[in-house]
Amino acid sequence: DQQVKQNSPSLSVQEGRISILNCDYTNSMFDYFLWYKKYPAEGPTFLISISSIKDKNEDGRFTVFLNKSAKHLSLHIVPSQPGDSAVYFCAASGASGTYKYIFGTGTRLKVLA
Amino acid sequence: DTGVSQNPRHKITKRGQNVTFRCDPISEHNRLYWYRQTLGQGPEFLTYFQNEAQLEKSRLLSDRFSAERPKGSFSTLEIQRTEQGDSAMYLCASSLGIGNEKLFFGSGTQLSVL
Repeated sequence: DQQVKQNSPSLSVQEGRISILNCDYTNSMFDYFLWYKKYPAEGPTFLISISSIKDKNEDGRFTVFLNKSAKHLSLHIVPSQPGDSAVYFCAASGASGTYKYIFGTGTRLKVLA
Repeated sequence: DTGVSQNPRHKITKRGQNVTFRCDPISEHNRLYWYRQTLGQGPEFLTYFQNEAQLEKSRLLSDRFSAERPKGSFSTLEIQRTEQGDSAMYLCASSLGIGNEKLFFGSGTQLSVL
């Protein structure tokens, strides 16, 4: 039962353009969402988060949008840089009344120079 | 802030052997998590602690797996009678423990069961 889904396993974008990574979830009780970036042989690194009381959160080149009615969130990276090439995971928490974080399967982003 | 530290970085063992991994969280972080990640998958939740109390454990965690955090600081994850299917990256993360917040991950322990 995959409660957090990232349906695009990979994405390629030209340097300087926008990267849009998508994430869907099935449990309406999730109330906190995060995005992580992961390079090979390293642990995931936090990028940005959003609470369910908001629909947008911005931090520099990174913006996360949350559409609760669609149970969908997206991460926008503008402008994309070659150093952004990594695997991106979305995660969600709050469904079970505990602080367990459920991760998606990831999207591999490749930014082409 | 020295980050989350995990040891060893790599572990190769034979099927049937027991292995133990250690995680040192960021100091003053009250929550500590264990995740497992295999190739092409996202981190899979195993268990988490609030201080020394183990608050939740995945039903995927068989009785061969046990985690402890005896003094609310470092944690150990033991796998008994390892199987080839246990081969994975084992990730530890910690957080302050005051609500919804970001997790800080260590670099992981890569386990290979031959």
